[in-house]
Amino acid sequence: KQEVTQIPAALSVPEGENLVLNCSFTDSAIYNLQWFRQDPGKGLTSLLLIQSSQREQTSGRLNASLDKSSGRSTLYIAASQPGDSATYLCAVRGGGGNKLTFGTGTQLKVEL
Amino acid sequence: NAGVMQNPRHLVRRRGQEARLRCSPMKGHSHVYWYRQLPEEGLKFMVYLQKENIIDESGMPKERFSAEFPKEGPSILRIQQVVRGDSAAYFCASSPESGANVLTFGAGSRLTVL
Repeated sequence: KQEVTQIPAALSVPEGENLVLNCSFTDSAIYNLQWFRQDPGKGLTSLLLIQSSQREQTSGRLNASLDKSSGRSTLYIAASQPGDSATYLCAVRGGGGNKLTFGTGTQLKVEL
Repeated sequence: NAGVMQNPRHLVRRRGQEARLRCSPMKGHSHVYWYRQLPEEGLKFMVYLQKENIIDESGMPKERFSAEFPKEGPSILRIQQVVRGDSAAYFCASSPESGANVLTFGAGSRLTVL
């Protein structure tokens, strides 16, 4: 059974700092891995998707890496801004179906 | 394109009542997924449906919960005889086809059971 863990559970940083969010998963037989952002009372916004054959994906100030063999992914946020404050969720899709297994998220607060 | 529409956004029920949550997928999407987010927990897969078919219901509780996606109209997640432990945010996602990479999520329906 796939389990996804995210560390830290919460993070508070000053504006402008670069930061790394971590995600680990127990079963390396994944189809892809996604990072989502969830704002309070809102739905999920897909940030980056990494296929199992890829090592990283970049979008603006965000960079996600994937090391499938070790069951790890990181989300790097450069030059953080208060608008980045949200909960960041990591989700993996197994090879056998369409469902996603989510981590419990990292709650990020970027302070002025 | 209005995205994935869920309603109601907030629903309050007393114990023993029924809750019905609706999800209209994005235009052109024929695959719907329901996820539940309990307080302080991650999202958990519940069920995956295509039009008129349940494809995977491995995450659905064995009793009181059911889902459908009729030929016409939205997908409905139905919870009978609700209990306090059913209080959660219920998210719907849709995709255009099986195996699609990206699911588009709705804003969720927040159920509170008194």
